[in-house]
Amino acid sequence: AQSVTQLGSHVSVSEGALVLLRCNYSSSVPPYLFWYVQYPNQGLQLLLKYTSAATLVKGINGFEAEFKKSETSFHLTKPSAHMSDAAEYFCAVSKNTGGFKTIFGAGTRLFVKA
Amino acid sequence: NAGVTQTPKFQVLKTGQSMTLQCAQDMNHEYMSWYRQDPGMGLRLIHYSVGAGITDQGEVPNGYNVSRSTTEDFPLRLLSAAPSQTSVYFCASRGTGATDTQYFGPGTRLTVL
Repeated sequence: AQSVTQLGSHVSVSEGALVLLRCNYSSSVPPYLFWYVQYPNQGLQLLLKYTSAATLVKGINGFEAEFKKSETSFHLTKPSAHMSDAAEYFCAVSKNTGGFKTIFGAGTRLFVKA
Repeated sequence: NAGVTQTPKFQVLKTGQSMTLQCAQDMNHEYMSWYRQDPGMGLRLIHYSVGAGITDQGEVPNGYNVSRSTTEDFPLRLLSAAPSQTSVYFCASRGTGATDTQYFGPGTRLTVL
């Protein structure tokens, strides 16, 4: 079985500060891991995904995530937060590269203060 | 290329009423899914389809039916709505090979009174 735990339902950072959103996963098979972003009243958009090609994955909008098998983690980071980054972020796990039949975490809402 | 479209955007039902949430995609994707999103629970898979005529249950299928008569369309039916089905519903589709990214529709916000 697969599961995802996102640590912190809300994270608040100042504009220009480091963004760190935490995600830990559980999987009985090699996982494919994803981060999605959801802006208010919109659907989900893929930020980045890990498909075993490289442990450090770069995504859109300056975000990146590192797959750490020993820690079963896939934390999302961005060096400098921008006001436009305020959104809800979901970590997800799947048994296939496309994210079909995906298991989602509960989400972390990111607030960015001016 | 409209991607994944969903109708309606908002719907209010009374307990016991039935309705169909529509989902269509124009990317010729074989795989389609329905998720529901509830506060603090992320998205949960309701039903999915791996091609026309083939559907299967996800994590939370009770109270919902689906069918897939064409590649493009994947409607979700609520036969007898219950307040517990108040949620935001997302449809998603995914291709294969180089186009295997999952794309989500804009969602349908359903309230059952």
